This record gives sequence, C-alpha cells and structure tokens, in this order.
Amino acid sequence: DSGVTQTPKHLITATGQRVTLRCSPRSGDLSVYWYQQSLDQGLQFLIQYYNGEERAKGNILERFSAQQFPDLHSELNLSSLELGDSALYFCASSVAGGGLFNEQFFGPGTRLTVL
Amino acid sequence: GDSVTQMEGPVTLSEEAFLTINCTYTATGYPSLFWYVQYPGEGLQLLLKATKADDKGSNKGFEATYRKETTSFHLEKGSVQVSDSAVYFCALSANAGGTSYGKLTFGQGTILTVHP
Repeated sequence: DSGVTQTPKHLITATGQRVTLRCSPRSGDLSVYWYQQSLDQGLQFLIQYYNGEERAKGNILERFSAQQFPDLHSELNLSSLELGDSALYFCASSVAGGGLFNEQFFGPGTRLTVL
Repeated sequence: GDSVTQMEGPVTLSEEAFLTINCTYTATGYPSLFWYVQYPGEGLQLLLKATKADDKGSNKGFEATYRKETTSFHLEKGSVQVSDSAVYFCALSANAGGTSYGKLTFGQGTILTVHP
C-alpha cells in the first residue's frame, strides 16, 4: 500500500458526460501528479500540483482540468467525454515539487470506461 | 522533447533465467532514471533509481546502471522468479538548468511472464 488513495476504483459513463476523479496523497506529501495510461498512448503525464498551485502541465486536453485543495487532495475533472478517454488514470504524490531524490508514490488508479 | 524507449515485449522466461530489459533515453541535461513495476491490478511501484552517471540502482535482485555515454539504463536480474511476472516501465525525470522537474516520462512498458 503506497498510502495514496484514489476514488472511485471503476467508473463507467457515456460519451458527452462529465466525471470527477479524486486523489488523496500520502500524509506529508505536497505534490500531486496525474497520469493517463491507455493502450495506444502508454503512460502519459497530465498535470502536477504543488501545495495548491499548478506546477507543470503535460499532454492534458482542454476538456480536462484539475485542482488541488487546501487539504492537499486533488480532483481531476474530465468533461465532454469521448470513447478515446477510456483509460486508467493514476495519481501519484511526492514530498517535494521536484529534485533528484523526489520519489513518486502511485495510487491504484481509476479505470474509466466511456461507452 | 524527452523520451524513453524500451525493448519490444512481451518477454517470456523460465524460472531462474537471466533477464535483461533494454531502456534508452533522450533528454536535455542530466535526468534521473527509474524503473517502475506494475503488478496485475495494481498501481506502479518504484523498483530502483539512479540520479547520476555510473550510478547503479538495485533492489530485490534487480540492477540497472546509468550509462550516460550510451544514454541507457538497462534492467537486469540474474535469476527471475514466477513472482517477478509484471509490467516493467523505464522512466526519467528531467533535470535541466539547475531545475529538477518532478514529472516522469515513461517508456511503453515491457510485459514479463515467468513460467515455472
């Protein structure tokens, strides 16, 4: 158990809908990262928050947004869902925002299926 | 941009066989390098890491050496077990201009199956 929790574990929804994925980082970790794992794109970095502020952005679609709250949990919002958004979404957390020894701990993931 | 290339899989081995999974990278500056493992139905776990050239990361019998001259970080294990069956990901975290970026860039993953 990495100490990172993600809810829900599975999510099935229809095209055009909006969903929210939630992540609670390990106690004491200030950074939260979101990654998408799909068969065709592999594991891709989406976005990082550090202590409530956006720190880095990757291949995140405009239909997707995220935030980190004062208690440091994070939510990833996916809207106008398309079939191609079906994937496993991982959250990871780390103590710092970067650095050579900044190990990331991954949650178990949320599997999103868009029908 | 930064990228990581892993050997094509899947890899199927018999128990006690020698394992090598090749990984090469492209990055500016001097990245930190990682191997993550994903067991079925689980999230990723850090297996080992190296932060500078010639560093050797090791854990649970797995080893990888940071080779700057060949931009490689190949994963090896002398004797695999059935319990090593999983997906292995090579990844880098870029460090450039004195700034270390936390985000990870992953390779495509290599599925390892070990038979008794």
